[in-house]
Amino acid sequence: KAGVTQTPRYLIKTRGQQVTLSCSPISGHRSVSWYQQTPGQGLQFLFEYFSETQRNKGNFPGRFSGRQFSNSRSEMNVSTLELGDSALYLCASSSGTDYNEQFFGPGTRLTVL
Amino acid sequence: GEDVEQSLFLSVREGDSSVINCTYTDSSSTYLYWYKQEPGAGLQLLTYIFSNMDMKQDQRLTVLLNKKDKHLSLRIADTQTGDSAIYFCAEIITSGTYKYIFGTGTRLKVLA
Repeated sequence: KAGVTQTPRYLIKTRGQQVTLSCSPISGHRSVSWYQQTPGQGLQFLFEYFSETQRNKGNFPGRFSGRQFSNSRSEMNVSTLELGDSALYLCASSSGTDYNEQFFGPGTRLTVL
Repeated sequence: GEDVEQSLFLSVREGDSSVINCTYTDSSSTYLYWYKQEPGAGLQLLTYIFSNMDMKQDQRLTVLLNKKDKHLSLRIADTQTGDSAIYFCAEIITSGTYKYIFGTGTRLKVLA
């Protein structure tokens, strides 16, 4: 069974640009969650999608958005990038029911210059 | 409130036992998890415990749960240099919502 994949693995952007990150969950998993990891703030929950609907949302500004497709693949978009958006963005998939554990992808390292 | 706290650093000698502690605040948590993150990688699930259990053992790993004090610990026996990583505890909140709350992470350094 293939694991969670994220593309791209590394990304360099400049302030003001926008970026789209992609996550393919484990086959059969319907829930995809996104996290931002920085040295200072630790692991912060961005949002979760389940069956193409945003089910939960963390405390991030509206510049951070996401969506999920019918095949459960998910994309995360950040508009008007700021220096502080530099982070490791992690995606996790789970069945979304019965409290099953989350399986994480390797992450996308975003650097904003 | 929703908050999961861990100490930031732990240093042990190879062969000793490591104990990583975690406190959480949501009493409705049903499952609690331990994840390991190696440099440059995502999080890897190590083990989990159901809230009606006090202890779970899995090879070198022992998880202890004190639900009254909302305290969770992970003991690693015979710690090896390959165990050096950041360890995160996490709880899942299902009352009114469905989301995971992660701790701040404990960086374990194993000295040879």
